[in-house]
Amino acid sequence: QVQLKESGPVLVQASETLSLTCTVSGFSLTNYGVIWVRQPPGKGLEWMGIIWRNGNTDYNSALKSRLSINRDTSKSQVFLKMNSLQTDDTAIYYCTREFVYWGQGVMVTVSS
Amino acid sequence: DVVLTQTPSILSATIGQSVSISCRSSQSLLDSDGNTYLYWFLQRPGQSPQRLIYLVSNLGSGVPNRFSGSGSGTDFTLKISGVEAEDLGVYYCMQATHAPWTFGGGTKLELK
Repeated sequence: QVQLKESGPVLVQASETLSLTCTVSGFSLTNYGVIWVRQPPGKGLEWMGIIWRNGNTDYNSALKSRLSINRDTSKSQVFLKMNSLQTDDTAIYYCTREFVYWGQGVMVTVSS
Repeated sequence: DVVLTQTPSILSATIGQSVSISCRSSQSLLDSDGNTYLYWFLQRPGQSPQRLIYLVSNLGSGVPNRFSGSGSGTDFTLKISGVEAEDLGVYYCMQATHAPWTFGGGTKLELK
């Protein structure tokens, strides 16, 4: 069945780079896009970006200068990297297959 | 960026009551391809979001038919015909017509 699972550090220092991995199963990354969404504690959802089935990417303009999304189709993994972290980047980070299937999310805390 | 305004922000209901949530957009969500990329999600406490409705009025797979979506242009509505206990949580609308994709601020459905 379709599954997505986020992994990465739970604590990151301010000004450093966040690296997260979304490992998928039950489908091919060449057939579906994967989206990253984040949610600060107690707040709403924010779309971060998407890697389309063809490998092209689109990013939220508010994050574009700091964000990159890549993938390794052979390993069924999608990677998120975001630099120059600040405390307001503290959030649950989700990956989702076109908003239908979601990972459980990973809580990332940025410490000053 | 497109701003989605959800009302009310908090909705108190009894089991069996029918309720509606409004989502108003700062721009028309009708795309040049003829589709309107307006979605509804439910996030239960401690869980990842779940897609309920896509393209304004299409019910997601496995979603009970007490949920329905309607609207066009800039005004959209999610209706729950007979609230059940499992429907409690926060509802979000989202648009993917204009980049960056954006979410509404959320409507919390609670028991009266």
